[in-house]
Amino acid sequence: QSALTQPPSASGSAGQSVTISCTGTSSDVGDYDYVSWFQQQPGKAPKLIIYDVNKRPSGVPDRFSGSKSGNTASLTVSGLQADDEADYYCNSYAGINTPCLFGTGTKVTVL
Amino acid sequence: QVQLVQSGAEVKKPGSSVKVSCKTSGGTFSNYAINWVRQAPGQGLEWMGGIIPIFVTPKYAQKFQGTVTITADESTSTVYMEVDRLTSEDTAVYYCARAAGWVSAPTDWGQGTLVTVSS
Repeated sequence: QSALTQPPSASGSAGQSVTISCTGTSSDVGDYDYVSWFQQQPGKAPKLIIYDVNKRPSGVPDRFSGSKSGNTASLTVSGLQADDEADYYCNSYAGINTPCLFGTGTKVTVL
Repeated sequence: QVQLVQSGAEVKKPGSSVKVSCKTSGGTFSNYAINWVRQAPGQGLEWMGGIIPIFVTPKYAQKFQGTVTITADESTSTVYMEVDRLTSEDTAVYYCARAAGWVSAPTDWGQGTLVTVSS
């Protein structure tokens, strides 16, 4: 199974919003509401910021939001802050044999 | 609080094997999934496989079938991931990550283990 497709980079000015897409197929993103998003700072382990398409773990600011339409999921970061600069990865359940399928990753830059 | 502590960095020769451990504490062990995710230098995250100890049988990504073995030791709450026939392309940071089940997103991650394959 191929990785989910994300744009390599995205950027926005401090205080503005940025939206990252995550495109899969009808066998993964389109078939299950088990899309999650991870933030990874340089040299650190990934951190879960969205699960089940649009739910936030405790402690994650509501500036982070998720959605899904068809085979494409999206992550929106509102009110961009300097420490939002990081790599972001989407992830989807893709069936019993591939329970964990990552996206290609997007580097977010805060201008 | 759940903690996942991985074994230390390794340097291996091509053709050899490496076994990385992931010891969990602070939470239930047997019915949670422990996934293994690798990240080559400058590259993205890649799911390798995982195990729910109570179900015994691991799952593997197709790419890693036959070269990766994942096992669990319930007596020590530790999961192991062994990679055989190492090549330079296996140079990466290997993470273990805990999830509530196969459909759940991994919520807790180990610190990562750097494996370097070099002659």
